[in-house]
Amino acid sequence: GQNIDQPTEMTATEGAIVQINCTYQTSGFNGLFWYQQHAGEAPTFLSYNVLDGLEEKGRFSSFLSRSKGYSYLLLKELQMKDSASYLCAVRDIGYSTLTFGKGTMLLVSP
Amino acid sequence: GAGVSQSPSNKVTEKGKDVELRCDPISGHTALYWYRQSLGQGLEFLIYFQGNSAPDKSGLPSDRFSAERTGGSVSTLTIQRTQQEDSAVYLCASQATGGTDTQYFGPGTRLTVL
Repeated sequence: GQNIDQPTEMTATEGAIVQINCTYQTSGFNGLFWYQQHAGEAPTFLSYNVLDGLEEKGRFSSFLSRSKGYSYLLLKELQMKDSASYLCAVRDIGYSTLTFGKGTMLLVSP
Repeated sequence: GAGVSQSPSNKVTEKGKDVELRCDPISGHTALYWYRQSLGQGLEFLIYFQGNSAPDKSGLPSDRFSAERTGGSVSTLTIQRTQQEDSAVYLCASQATGGTDTQYFGPGTRLTVL
């Protein structure tokens, strides 16, 4: 099984940098995903990590440490539109289904 | 191209009634998932279809829940004798293959059971 933890809420200021952490305990591991979900909308894919290290994609970066069961999503140059819930999800070995954390609600203020 | 679509977008029903929720995946995607998202909770896996294989029903919360996928495309999630605790947003996602490809989500159906 999988257990995924991430903070419930975070606040940050426009233009700043924020790091959203995700820790997981799994019986197997076959990749970690980050999704963004605005209120009332579908989750949209942000990043995928399966090997240790940092994946950078524009203002968003995602880091993975498999030995520590740890990932973070880094958002730079925050914009008001980044206010959303950020979902961490882990795929187990041999399965295609994802187990999601409860999400981190990020509020960006002016 | 067209994304995943779901209908209806909102459904209000009375306790004890049956409901059907529909998902149209991205054309050509062989894998299809159903999730449930309750207020303040993460996405809860319900069922997974991959091609012509038998579906993975391990996430269905009770035998009141069932789903089918016709012709490897459209899927219908059926909830019989709805209960108030079934109120949630039901999300469908499709994926190009059953491997490590990304899941693409539809807008969801908000179900309210009175």
